[in-house]
Amino acid sequence: ETGVTQTPRHLVMGMTNKKSLKCEQHLGHNAMYWYKQSAKKPLELMFVYNFKEQTENNSVPSRFSPECPNSSHLFLHLHTLQPEDSALYLCASSQESGNYYEQYFGPGTRLTVT
Amino acid sequence: KNQVEQSPQSLIILEGKNCTLQCNYTVSPFSNLRWYKQDTGRGPVSLTIMTFSENTKSNGRYTATLDADTKQSSLHITASQLSDSASYICVVSANAGNNRKLIWGLGTSLAVNP
Repeated sequence: ETGVTQTPRHLVMGMTNKKSLKCEQHLGHNAMYWYKQSAKKPLELMFVYNFKEQTENNSVPSRFSPECPNSSHLFLHLHTLQPEDSALYLCASSQESGNYYEQYFGPGTRLTVT
Repeated sequence: KNQVEQSPQSLIILEGKNCTLQCNYTVSPFSNLRWYKQDTGRGPVSLTIMTFSENTKSNGRYTATLDADTKQSSLHITASQLSDSASYICVVSANAGNNRKLIWGLGTSLAVNP
């Protein structure tokens, strides 16, 4: 295990539902990330948090709302999603958000929007 | 435009055989290059990270090479095992002042058959 856990592992939700993804890291890191991995596409960075502060938001639609209450926990709140949002959502952490720090990934949440 | 291209897209080999995966990039300014292994249904796990001055690095049966002049990297797997079946992703980091950007490849899907 990498020290990064994600729940739930699988999620099916309707377009009108509200759900949240949870990520927890046990590595003492200060930076956390949300990525989206769709079939036939490279990983897409969604959000970056460094010391609980959001430092990057890569033009993600507002139906995705991140929350980082402390350096160990990261949430992704979902509402009124579209079918094209179906993907594997990966959480990662690193010592800090600089160039040389290795990222450790969780197992991901497989999201299906119906 | 910053891009990472990997080849082949997929590969099937027999257990015990060697193989080499390729990564070509057009990323500037270059900071480092990483190879990740991603098992089905899991998050990526780092295999190697190489900076500009390094041209080869090994991690067990995995050996990565980097030619910064031609902007090419390869990942060589020796004496393949069934557990090597996975997607191998090349990631190049572009260093732009205080900002860091990771450019992800699409990955090579490797299947090792008995």
